[in-house]
Amino acid sequence: GNSVTQMEGPVTLSEEAFLTINCTYTATGYPSLFWYVQYPGEGLQLLLKATKADDKGSNKGFEATYRKETTSFHLEKGSVQVSDSAVYFCALSGGGGNKLTFGTGTQLKVEL
Amino acid sequence: KAGVTQTPRYLIKTRGQQVTLSCSPISGHRSVSWYQQTPGQGLQFLFEYFSETQRNKGNFPGRFSGRQFSNSRSEMNVSTLELGDSALYLCASALQREGPIEQYFGPGTRLTVT
Repeated sequence: GNSVTQMEGPVTLSEEAFLTINCTYTATGYPSLFWYVQYPGEGLQLLLKATKADDKGSNKGFEATYRKETTSFHLEKGSVQVSDSAVYFCALSGGGGNKLTFGTGTQLKVEL
Repeated sequence: KAGVTQTPRYLIKTRGQQVTLSCSPISGHRSVSWYQQTPGQGLQFLFEYFSETQRNKGNFPGRFSGRQFSNSRSEMNVSTLELGDSALYLCASALQREGPIEQYFGPGTRLTVT
């Protein structure tokens, strides 16, 4: 079946540091890949998505590239802010319908 | 445009009771999916409804059920509650069934089983 593996958290960074959160997946066929963010006490918000190999999703300074050869979709941001502190989830959809398979989530803490 | 709403936001129930959670999707959205979020298991897919029909189901016992009404609002029911059912239950709505499309999540219902 489909699965998503994310790096363990929490990740603690200083403001303006470079962020990478690793995500790899296992899936049959050609899944679509997503990054969702969850702020405390809230639901999930879509951060970015990529639908085919070599696509780059980007939003609010975050980027991720769909790498089929390494089955990866790593999230990056060049300069994080305190307001980026949240839990980040990598997810995939495939096989029909809207079912999402999520990774375990990575908590990011950004300090001044 | 109003977002996905879930009611109630918080709920405390006793083991053995049953509970019904409600989700109102964004206007015009016909797909509603439900997820359970726990610290131990993370986010797990429960089921998806589209046009009042269950289209996909996750690996949960039969105590978990749901339905969707003609106005696309959805409810999920958990019977004979167990302590392990304590979780944040999230619903997500989408305009259509086939992706890749954006799904919009509600704030969730926090269920505590004592």
